[in-house]
Amino acid sequence: EIQLVESGGGLVKPGGSLRLSCAASGFTFSSAYMGWVRQAPGKGLEWVGHVESKNDGGTIDYAAPVKGRFTISRDDSKNAVYLQMNSLKPEDTGVYYCTWVIPGWGQGILVTVSS
Amino acid sequence: DIVLTQTPLSSPVTLGQPASISCRSSQSLVHGNGNTYLHWLQQRPGQPPRLLIYEVSSRFSGVPDRFSGSGAGTDFTLKISRVEREDVGVYYCVQTTRAPYAFGQGTKLDIK
Repeated sequence: EIQLVESGGGLVKPGGSLRLSCAASGFTFSSAYMGWVRQAPGKGLEWVGHVESKNDGGTIDYAAPVKGRFTISRDDSKNAVYLQMNSLKPEDTGVYYCTWVIPGWGQGILVTVSS
Repeated sequence: DIVLTQTPLSSPVTLGQPASISCRSSQSLVHGNGNTYLHWLQQRPGQPPRLLIYEVSSRFSGVPDRFSGSGAGTDFTLKISRVEREDVGVYYCVQTTRAPYAFGQGTKLDIK
């Protein structure tokens, strides 16, 4: 069974930082492209970024609104993917989903950026 | 960057009747390897997204056969042959052919 479990969310002030983690199981993690998707309250899904498998080059790509502020990384030895979020803005508020691109989805974790 | 445009944005449907959602891409979604990475997700109220259809027309494991996908190039369609109450939610097309990946705006399906 595919399982993706996010952790690390919470309330942070504008300009602050937060690191999300995603623990994966139930599939061959090292071969998987992994991504982060977010959803602002009452809005649609927005792609944040993804990291390719190391076999395919390990390229990391980001959506324009987060480029330069967010960093995705992976640790294949731990079956984990991370999202380091810096210089957070109120518009970064939402539920963040970890995804095995595209079959698997975590339950999501709430990030609130507010003073 | 690729932009996906879904129509309609809202679709009230009678139980047992068909429903259809269109997804149009601003560029061809055919990858250099010949595959087309256009997928359909369902998000029920209060739930995370769930994969329904991958690579245009392949149903994911456990997805009822009343869901089907079709299309090519820049124009794609999700069809539900007979809508059931559990189909209420928002449907998204998503492309993973070319970075940055992108979603359509979502189509809200509800019961008349």
